[in-house]
This record gives sequence, structure tokens and C-alpha cells, in this order.
Amino acid sequence: GAVVSQHPSWVICKSGTSVKIECRSLDFQATTMFWYRQFPKQSLMLMATSNEGSKATYEQGVEKDKFLINHASLTLSTLTVTSAHPEDSSFYICSATEGFLGSAFLDEKLFFGSGTQLSVL
Amino acid sequence: ELKVEQNPLFLSMQEGKNYTIYCNYSTTSDRLYWYRQDPGKSLESLFVLLSNGAVKQEGRLMASLDTKARLSTLHITAAVHDLSATYFCAGSTSGTYKYIFGTGTRLKVLA
Repeated sequence: GAVVSQHPSWVICKSGTSVKIECRSLDFQATTMFWYRQFPKQSLMLMATSNEGSKATYEQGVEKDKFLINHASLTLSTLTVTSAHPEDSSFYICSATEGFLGSAFLDEKLFFGSGTQLSVL
Repeated sequence: ELKVEQNPLFLSMQEGKNYTIYCNYSTTSDRLYWYRQDPGKSLESLFVLLSNGAVKQEGRLMASLDTKARLSTLHITAAVHDLSATYFCAGSTSGTYKYIFGTGTRLKVLA
């Protein structure tokens, strides 16, 4: 299956600093990638949809100025948590699909990165 | 807006027993997915269910979909310790890849 690589897997930073997380599709081109966050023992909450070459679409309640998303190429999307605070500590997971809207491959699915555990002190 | 609910939230069962996890969703969903997550790890895809009546099986896990009832089930047969994990179902909004995840079911299989 398709591989999505996410880095770093774990980061600790001081409050007020910014952290960048990378998500790469290794063997396919991903027009669209998704960013989720997950608090301990909770479900995954969609934060935003990252579209190559255009602005990301954020879910309601997600601050776009705090969580900057850049999707500069078909294989790379980045999430930057700006001026991180302890409440931003969470597990962040990206995902990508090799399918596209209108695709004949109806069983295409999202492939998930390995996740990034962010701890803000 | 699509909402997905799972139950139970937590399940502790003995090895060798059978059990079913339920996933209800609120509006039409193109497809229904099941994922497994081990602690501190990302998600592993288990099943993709596309149509009413779809049934898929892999080892001790079997998933089914009833679109009329807006219900999917994940059935565990003769559970083993290695199946201990959190299981998520997810639906996708028609025409998009936006996945909406259920609350997750944390399964613990006791030896």
C-alpha cells in the first residue's frame, strides 16, 4: 500500500515557540492531505484539509493563524503550530489519498502517517 | 453534518470469546472504514465498506455494513490478546475524502 511519512515523530518545545511537522507521500502524488489531532484516549478530530497549490480549508473552531498549513508540492504538506502553548500538546496525524474525486477506484482510502506527539512545556 | 458514534467505548473480554463493536452514523455516508490503532501509533486500515450488505473478513475480524440502518459492525471471533487495541470506525461525506471518526472502542483482551 501507499506510504505516508511524517516527521518528527516526537517533539518537545518551549511555550511560545513554533513547531513544524512534515507529511510526505512517498510513492504517490497526493493532491489532498488531511491533518488530524488526537488527545489522549480520544478520537481523531479533523483540523484541516490541505490542497496542493491553494489555501487549506479549516474545520470550524480551528485557528488558521495558529495552525499554518502549506502544501507546496504534490508530495509534501507541512503543519506549523505557531506560538505553541501547553494546550496545543497533542498527537497530530496527517493522511493522504492517492485517489481523486470522481475516481473509478471506489475503494481508495486514506493512508495515515505515523503521527507526531507534540509536548509543549 | 455527518456524525459517527461507536459503542462500547471500552471493552474488556476474555480470550476465546466473541463480541461485536457497533458504529452508527447520522447521515448518508459514501463508505465506512474501520481502523486499528495501537498505543502511541498511527492508524492501520482494516476494512473499507462501500455498499449496503457489504461484508469483509480478515482473520478473526469481520465487518459489515447496513446502509439502511446506518450501522456498521465489527465482529471479533475467538479473541486473542494480540487484538488488544483501539478500533475506530469512520465515515466520509459524500463526494469528499473528509473522514469523520467515531469515538473509538478500546479493546482489551485478557489472557
